[in-house]
Amino acid sequence: EAEVAQSPRYKITEKSQAVAFWCDPISGHATLYWYRQILGQGPELLVQFQDESVVDDSQLPKDRFSAERLKGVDSTLKIQPAELGDSAMYLCASSEQGAGEKLFFGSGTQLSVL
Amino acid sequence: GNSVTQMEGPVTLSEEAFLTINCTYTATGYPSLFWYVQYPGEGLQLLLKATKADDKGSNKGFEATYRKETTSFHLEKGSVQVSDSAVYFCALTPGNTPLVFGKGTRLSVIA
Repeated sequence: EAEVAQSPRYKITEKSQAVAFWCDPISGHATLYWYRQILGQGPELLVQFQDESVVDDSQLPKDRFSAERLKGVDSTLKIQPAELGDSAMYLCASSEQGAGEKLFFGSGTQLSVL
Repeated sequence: GNSVTQMEGPVTLSEEAFLTINCTYTATGYPSLFWYVQYPGEGLQLLLKATKADDKGSNKGFEATYRKETTSFHLEKGSVQVSDSAVYFCALTPGNTPLVFGKGTRLSVIA
């Protein structure tokens, strides 16, 4: 079965540094999501793309976070500068069309900010 | 706003015990309801869903019934196995908006 690919699997960085995460959704999936999951909590949406366009980034801390999906396929999430409170699992998910469809999740990137 | 409340974990059960994980929700309109499961070291995957009142979602021996009158979607399984040990997330979407997740409930099943 096709999978959502994410890299790296783990990332350790010092505060004030820049970090970037990459996601390759299932081929043909138009909708891509980035979620953040803090330890002991459920995933919280950061940004939703429909093809290359941002549909919802209301919960994205835009002073330090940015996301792009230039060709409507793979996506990059960047944090600059990283803060201690950014330590979390960053999950990418995709679906064929819009919200309400079954989401397929990647294994995530575990970020630790020291 | 839209929100999901799950029972606090962790839940520890012996193999073959009956499982219930409570989930209640607050939402506008008539949301679709989901249970996702996260096995150790893996991403979340859809376990089951229900899209309208009185629908029952089922998969791998798990069941949940959409109860509009009590705004609930409790997850049940008659006989759990060690391999069911995971974190279970209740989630909803009112329709055209991304999933909203509960905090998750960790289940540990011991032999």
